[in-house]
Amino acid sequence: DAKTTQPPSMDCAEGRAANLPCNHSTISGNEYVYWYRQIHSQGPQYIIHGLKNNETNEMASLIITEDRKSSTLILPHATLRDTAVYYCIVRVYNQGGKLIFGQGTELSVKP
Amino acid sequence: DGGITQSPKYLFRKEGQNVTLSCEQNLNHDAMYWYRQDPGQGLRLIYYSQIVNDFQKGDIAEGYSVSREKKESFPLTVTSAQKNPTAFYLCASSTRDRAIGTEAFFGQGTRLTVV
Repeated sequence: DAKTTQPPSMDCAEGRAANLPCNHSTISGNEYVYWYRQIHSQGPQYIIHGLKNNETNEMASLIITEDRKSSTLILPHATLRDTAVYYCIVRVYNQGGKLIFGQGTELSVKP
Repeated sequence: DGGITQSPKYLFRKEGQNVTLSCEQNLNHDAMYWYRQDPGQGLRLIYYSQIVNDFQKGDIAEGYSVSREKKESFPLTVTSAQKNPTAFYLCASSTRDRAIGTEAFFGQGTRLTVV
């Protein structure tokens, strides 16, 4: 079963920040939070991952709460090309490092 | 360029036939994974392999088989026992679980249609 819960859909205005929440209240101490996105009929694209510290890369920022029970992916200046399904995933390292996907959030960036 | 390649992109088969989906990677990754995606759904794990000649069942392994004879290759066979084989199949690879924190790379998928 998926270990994450996300809202099914969100809208964002082009140029504004998109904040995508994720709940992972049962995460274990050594499990990482990963974010991927998938554009229709393509393979998922890696965005960012973290353990307990906030992380930033050229695509996004990841904010993880101190208790690690939730996180937020931030796309600082959303563009139309950011329209996709975003998956928040807990990676289970004691089971071969498999990624357990939930249903994801369908983000629509509108002009 | 390094990457993970799935072929073919589209595949059609008649009901009752076995079909094998190819997945090749040149990233020198030990771990490889197969996922299935149905319309409007997330990805579900079929099989995974952490090392050559070893693999484990995922959440929906029934009706599927795999082999891992080479590090670069992890083919998936959809057998006639799989009751609903029409789906989008995705392969991924990553370093082994000891290398904590590294991302998994996905191929572009194979869309299988059984008629």
